[in-house]
Amino acid sequence: GAVVSQHPSWVICKSGTSVKIECRSLDFQATTMFWYRQFPKQSLMLMATSNEGSKATYEQGVEKDKFLINHASLTLSTLTVTSAHPEDSSFYICSAGDRGNSPLHFGNGTRLTVT
Amino acid sequence: AQSVTQLGSHVSVSEGALVLLRCNYSSSVPPYLFWYVQYPNQGLQLLLKYTTGATLVKGINGFEAEFKKSETSFHLTKPSAHMSDAAEYFCAVSEGGSNYKLTFGKGTLLTVNP
Repeated sequence: GAVVSQHPSWVICKSGTSVKIECRSLDFQATTMFWYRQFPKQSLMLMATSNEGSKATYEQGVEKDKFLINHASLTLSTLTVTSAHPEDSSFYICSAGDRGNSPLHFGNGTRLTVT
Repeated sequence: AQSVTQLGSHVSVSEGALVLLRCNYSSSVPPYLFWYVQYPNQGLQLLLKYTTGATLVKGINGFEAEFKKSETSFHLTKPSAHMSDAAEYFCAVSEGGSNYKLTFGKGTLLTVNP
């Protein structure tokens, strides 16, 4: 079945540094990818919609300059957390949809800890 | 705007007992409805989905859900709980199709007691 690979699965970084998270669709072309953030024991909150070859659409309240999204190809989207701070520590999950009408496929998530 | 309410943040059942996880939704258009399961520190796995047609939907691992438009509900059930069912369950709604952005409920943690 369709697989979405997310890398890294966990990362620890120092405050002020930037972290890049990759989301790859391994066996299908993902025209659209979604980035979610999940706080401990809470639900997933949509951060942005990433469309191949165009600018991402951010949800209200999400800082586009802090959470940079690039969807340069049909199989790769990246989320860069710039100048990370401890409050950015969270679980980030991507999902991808193909050209059909199949349900979204989710990556295994990235646990970001900012010290 | 769409929204999802999951009643009960924590449900505890005995092994072999019926599992019932409740989900109510709000949508301005005919919804697409989903149940996902999440194990600790992992992504989400699709259990089942409702798009159109038959209102009783069967999914993986013995789970099923029934779409009731009049009650705006999409409750998840399983006749007999197994220890491996212990996980977080999320109900989600989409207004734009199966591969459109999802709005999730807050989740229900299912624990299964031996």
